[in-house]
Amino acid sequence: EAGVTQFPSHSVIEKGQTVTLRCDPISGHDNLYWYRRVMGKEIKFLLHFVKESKQDESGMPNNRFLAERTGGTYSTLKVQPAELEDSGVYFCASSQLFRDLSLYGYTFGSGTRLTVV
Amino acid sequence: GQQLNQSPQSMFIQEGEDVSMNCTSSSIFNTWLWYKQDPGEGPVLLIALYKAGELTSNGRLTAQFGITRKDSFLNISASIPSDVGIYFCAGQSSLRHRGSTLGRLYFGRGTQLTVWP
Repeated sequence: EAGVTQFPSHSVIEKGQTVTLRCDPISGHDNLYWYRRVMGKEIKFLLHFVKESKQDESGMPNNRFLAERTGGTYSTLKVQPAELEDSGVYFCASSQLFRDLSLYGYTFGSGTRLTVV
Repeated sequence: GQQLNQSPQSMFIQEGEDVSMNCTSSSIFNTWLWYKQDPGEGPVLLIALYKAGELTSNGRLTAQFGITRKDSFLNISASIPSDVGIYFCAGQSSLRHRGSTLGRLYFGRGTQLTVWP
């Protein structure tokens, strides 16, 4: 079974440019999450999709960030225009909806390291 | 928002030694999780805890869900070089949706573990 795939693995862009990150969750996983870790800090929640719907987007920093999940499969996270403080590692994670109330934790992708210069 | 204090921030130990790290929260969680992140990879789930007071083992790893629901610890016994990495605690305040648990995770800042041979 393929894991959570993120693309690109690294991206270096100039301040003011636009970057789009992509996440392909594990097939059949309805939950898709975006997280970000700024160097030395905690991994912070950005938003949560259930299928194609945004369940919780309370962690999105500002309106320069736009996440989409058309068709409930892969998701994109666009940053436009990028600022220096957007640098960090962006993680995507996915999980199934279980009937037994158990959370088996998320499966994370390897992340996209974004550097804004 | 809910904040997790994870300590220590870093540890330098010799192979064979035992390791202990912990997390405390300002709020109650219903689930505690421990993840490990290797360089260039995403966090991987090590142990999940679902009940206050629960003590769970996974090989050389042991974790406990504090009685107050505001803390958890992770112990690694007889460390080996491949234990090197960043260990994160994470808590979840579960949301019930159609019989499943959903929702964001709150992470600690991580414990960087270095093991000397």
